[in-house]
Amino acid sequence: SQELEQSPQSLIVQEGKNLTINCTSSKTLYGLYWYKQKYGEGLIFLMMLQKGGEEKSHEKITAKLDEKKQQSSLHITASQPSHAGIYLCGADDNNDMRFGAGTRLTVKP
Amino acid sequence: ETGVTQTPRHLVMGMTNKKSLKCEQHLGHNAMYWYKQSAKKPLELMFVYSLEERVENNSVPSRFSPECPNSSHLFLHLHTLQPEDSALYLCASSRPGQILYGYTFGSGTRLTVV
Repeated sequence: SQELEQSPQSLIVQEGKNLTINCTSSKTLYGLYWYKQKYGEGLIFLMMLQKGGEEKSHEKITAKLDEKKQQSSLHITASQPSHAGIYLCGADDNNDMRFGAGTRLTVKP
Repeated sequence: ETGVTQTPRHLVMGMTNKKSLKCEQHLGHNAMYWYKQSAKKPLELMFVYSLEERVENNSVPSRFSPECPNSSHLFLHLHTLQPEDSALYLCASSRPGQILYGYTFGSGTRLTVV
């Protein structure tokens, strides 16, 4: 089955700073999803990437999928307290979705 | 609100109790999933139902018993659980073929086994 490794495991940044979270796959990614989870809540869909080299943005969050389709990054510009939470990458694996362990983001005011 | 509703939000049960978790969606999705989320571990896929038929059971202990009476409802029946079963249980739904939006998740049930 597909293994997804996320780094870092946790991240603490000062408000206004930029940050990047990475997701690396053991297999070629045919659909890579980014979700955000607030503590104890469900996952909220952020973006989905399919094509090598693809990049998508939503407000201050940008996600990219590398050309080889085995690594994705999530970049947040000028972080705000509202960005705090757990970011998870997920990949379509034989019609099921598998997830990384998540990156816990704390934004200090 | 995502359109996937889970009840109860919190549940405390003893090891000899029997309880059920409920998940409901009216998004027109025809696949539903149970995931288990434990601290510092990736989400574990437990059960998959597609068109109300179970298509995957990832070696989940028999003390967890799923039920999908129709495409809008999914249950997880619990009996004689262990303390290590304490976790956040998440339900999700999807419409296979519509991959652009992935799965839609409920808010989860926080289960504590005492």
